[in-house]
Amino acid sequence: GEDVEQSLFLSVREGDSSVINCTYTDSSSTYLYWYKQEPGAGLQLLTYIFSNMDMKQDQRLTVLLNKKDKHLSLRIADTQTGDSAIYFCAESPTLTGKLIFGQGTTLQVKP
Amino acid sequence: EAQVTQNPRYLITVTGKKLTVTCSQNMNHEYMSWYRQDPGLGLRQIYYSMNVEVTDKGDVPEGYKVSRKEKRNFPLILESPSPNQTSLYFCASRRTGAQNTIYFGEGSWLTVV
Repeated sequence: GEDVEQSLFLSVREGDSSVINCTYTDSSSTYLYWYKQEPGAGLQLLTYIFSNMDMKQDQRLTVLLNKKDKHLSLRIADTQTGDSAIYFCAESPTLTGKLIFGQGTTLQVKP
Repeated sequence: EAQVTQNPRYLITVTGKKLTVTCSQNMNHEYMSWYRQDPGLGLRQIYYSMNVEVTDKGDVPEGYKVSRKEKRNFPLILESPSPNQTSLYFCASRRTGAQNTIYFGEGSWLTVV
């Protein structure tokens, strides 16, 4: 079946790196995504990775994809208090085209 | 500006009183969908539509209806809301095949008392 799993909570100190992990089940997904949701706000697409890539870097964000293990991670370098939010991992199976979201990881950044 | 617009953004209603959450997109997208977000569960798809007059159930369709009479609009209808439908709702749209470019509305906070 389709399932995406994330840990629910991560706490880091300002300036440290944060790594948020995600596992997914559908190997047909063409794209895998990371969304950010700030308190009381909507969803913001942070980044996505094409399934034939291993890594994608965008400024402070690094996405790593291990297709064999169906594992996706988001690394935020030099984490700031403004990075405090809920981060959702999502996949989009080719057959259905819908987004399947993980439960969301709440990132708490301590000053 | 490309956008997905939802209304209302915030609503408190009573059990059993029919309500409609509207969703409109200005990008001529074929695919539209509704999600609900609940703590610890992430977002789950309620209904989706591949094009005008083509709708189908998502993972949690019970208690909801949708319609797609025009390409730009995809309203979510709660015929008889219940407290377990208290949630944050998101509408999304994209072009067919463009899975890397999905637009979300800002969300509608719905409380059923």
